[in-house]
Amino acid sequence: RKEVEQDPGPFNVPEGATVAFNCTYSNSASQSFFWYRQDCRKEPKLLMSVYSSGNEDGRFTAQLNRASQYISLLIRDSKLSDSATYLCVVNSGSNTGKLIFGQGTTLQVKP
Amino acid sequence: DTGVSQNPRHKITKRGQNVTFRCDPISEHNRLYWYRQTLGQGPEFLTYFQNEAQLEKSRLLSDRFSAERPKGSFSTLEIQRTEQGDSAMYLCASSRGKDSPLHFGNGTRLTVT
Repeated sequence: RKEVEQDPGPFNVPEGATVAFNCTYSNSASQSFFWYRQDCRKEPKLLMSVYSSGNEDGRFTAQLNRASQYISLLIRDSKLSDSATYLCVVNSGSNTGKLIFGQGTTLQVKP
Repeated sequence: DTGVSQNPRHKITKRGQNVTFRCDPISEHNRLYWYRQTLGQGPEFLTYFQNEAQLEKSRLLSDRFSAERPKGSFSTLEIQRTEQGDSAMYLCASSRGKDSPLHFGNGTRLTVT
């Protein structure tokens, strides 16, 4: 089993739609969680950190479910500019700074 | 701009040659990471440093790969006797500490012919 797993998609949605991505992780000791965005042929950029209580940044909401070992990202009112690959990132244990990336989920927002 | 800087941006080399990449992290960041990414995949962890100490190295890396961060500032990644399978984007990132997010450079795209 991969340490971090995502559905690669692609997710094709119309503008204005709400879309949700899930990511599962294998190590119950993981403590740090992030969502990154990567545009084609560019480096990954931090979208948001994921906190235990869940957190929101504008149209983006991140949730953490420790019991089921998954994190989610919800995007409301999708824009054309949201089209990108979304990468889930988890640290591989409580005593390491090693950060593991998922495969990424591709989102295509269409007019 | 005081972001993470990587050089060169592109490198084309013949199979069997050695290559070296450089990464300059954000100055106040003590952690430095190297990742490799191929098309359609997420970044794959290679190694990371805290200051000058290399704390972890991927078991996937062969002995042909070596990384250094001699003074705890910039880092180099060397690949000896390159193979076509080494062709990828090599990404460097830095962070403030253990639970802090990564900040990436633009990457070095390696093509082995």
